[in-house]
Amino acid sequence: KAGVTQTPRYLIKTRGQQVTLSCSPISGHRSVSWYQQTPGQGLQFLFEYFSETQRNKGNFPGRFSGRQFSNSRSEMNVSTLELGDSALYLCASSSNVGGSSYNEQFFGPGTRLTVL
Amino acid sequence: SQQGEEDPQALSIQEGENATMNCSYKTSINNLQWYRQNSGRGLVHLILIRSNEREKHSGRLRVTLDTSKKSSSLLITASRAADTASYFCATDAETSGSRLTFGEGTQLTVNP
Repeated sequence: KAGVTQTPRYLIKTRGQQVTLSCSPISGHRSVSWYQQTPGQGLQFLFEYFSETQRNKGNFPGRFSGRQFSNSRSEMNVSTLELGDSALYLCASSSNVGGSSYNEQFFGPGTRLTVL
Repeated sequence: SQQGEEDPQALSIQEGENATMNCSYKTSINNLQWYRQNSGRGLVHLILIRSNEREKHSGRLRVTLDTSKKSSSLLITASRAADTASYFCATDAETSGSRLTFGEGTQLTVNP
């Protein structure tokens, strides 16, 4: 099976702009989660989608939003970009079979966003 | 905020030696997962251990979990230069769905 794919891999934006990142999960996986990684804050959970519904949400401002399509592909959007949004954005997918104890999360290569 | 702390923050060893990394966490969990990350790239899933398991093996990896102490360890045996990377533990406490809480990571350097 192909792994989790993310596009684009690199992105440069300026303050105030908005950005949309895309994630395609492993075939058959219905859960998609997003994480932000920065040197200062480490890896932080943004949100999780399952069957087109947001199931869990982290502590990020409303400028960060996401959605999931019927084919399980997911997008996240960041509006009114700030310098502090520069980070590696990672997407993970899970089959969500067998209950929460078995939720292996497989990550994509990430999108590196730079905000100037 | 980070749930866990990893110890040590950095570890430098010679090829062939064993590497042990520790992870502590704060709340009850459903599972704990270990990941490897090379130079700011994506996370590679290494192993998942459930809360009712105490030890798990995968190749040269051995993971232990002590829920009474809220701690886990990752042992890499016979290390190779290619094992040089950052290693993260992540806990999942969600009853519905998933939300991983990561430790700060251990930077492992294996010298040839």
